[in-house]
Amino acid sequence: AQKVTQAQTEISVVEKEDVTLDCVYETRDTTYYLFWYKQPPSGELVFLIRRNSFDEQNEISGRYSWNFQKSTSSFNFTITASQVVDSAVYFCALSSNDYKLSFGAGTTVTVRA
Amino acid sequence: DSGVTQTPKHLITATGQRVTLRCSPRSGDLSVYWYQQSLDQGLQFLIQYYNGEERAKGNILERFSAQQFPDLHSELNLSSLELGDSALYFCASSVYGGFTDTQYFGPGTRLTVL
Repeated sequence: AQKVTQAQTEISVVEKEDVTLDCVYETRDTTYYLFWYKQPPSGELVFLIRRNSFDEQNEISGRYSWNFQKSTSSFNFTITASQVVDSAVYFCALSSNDYKLSFGAGTTVTVRA
Repeated sequence: DSGVTQTPKHLITATGQRVTLRCSPRSGDLSVYWYQQSLDQGLQFLIQYYNGEERAKGNILERFSAQQFPDLHSELNLSSLELGDSALYFCASSVYGGFTDTQYFGPGTRLTVL
């Protein structure tokens, strides 16, 4: 069975601070995909990134960066120079051969001006 | 905007009633998924359809059913509603429905059972 753990329930930062969200996963499958989604206060789920289990290269997209470490089963997400618009709930998710997405509990990020 | 549409946006009903939630996938996507988001259970997978056929089932109650129609839109039917069914219901779609796909989510339907 797949399991995704986001140990941080809430993080509060002041604008321009960096914030790192932790994600640890469990799976017995050797091929799997990891995802991050953002849920702003309006409620929709917005796709941010997909990474497969064979690609451990870190990725940067603007102020967002992701660090995938297979050795520690982690897929962490960093927001650099946070802005108020980054305030949201962020979900890490895993998919493997059972088609569904298994989500973590989510981390609520609050960025204060 | 993900391209996935869901109606209605909000639904308020009473216990024991039946409701239907509707979802239209992104253009070109063949697979539709339903998820339930509640405070106590988090985001839970309910069911998946691919090109009209059920492909995978999750923690979906027997009181709930779904289908995907030939035009690929999907409906989730919830019956004999209980207070605990109050939640945000998301539809997602993907191209082929495989685990390598990215699932794109609709805006959700917020169901309140009174």
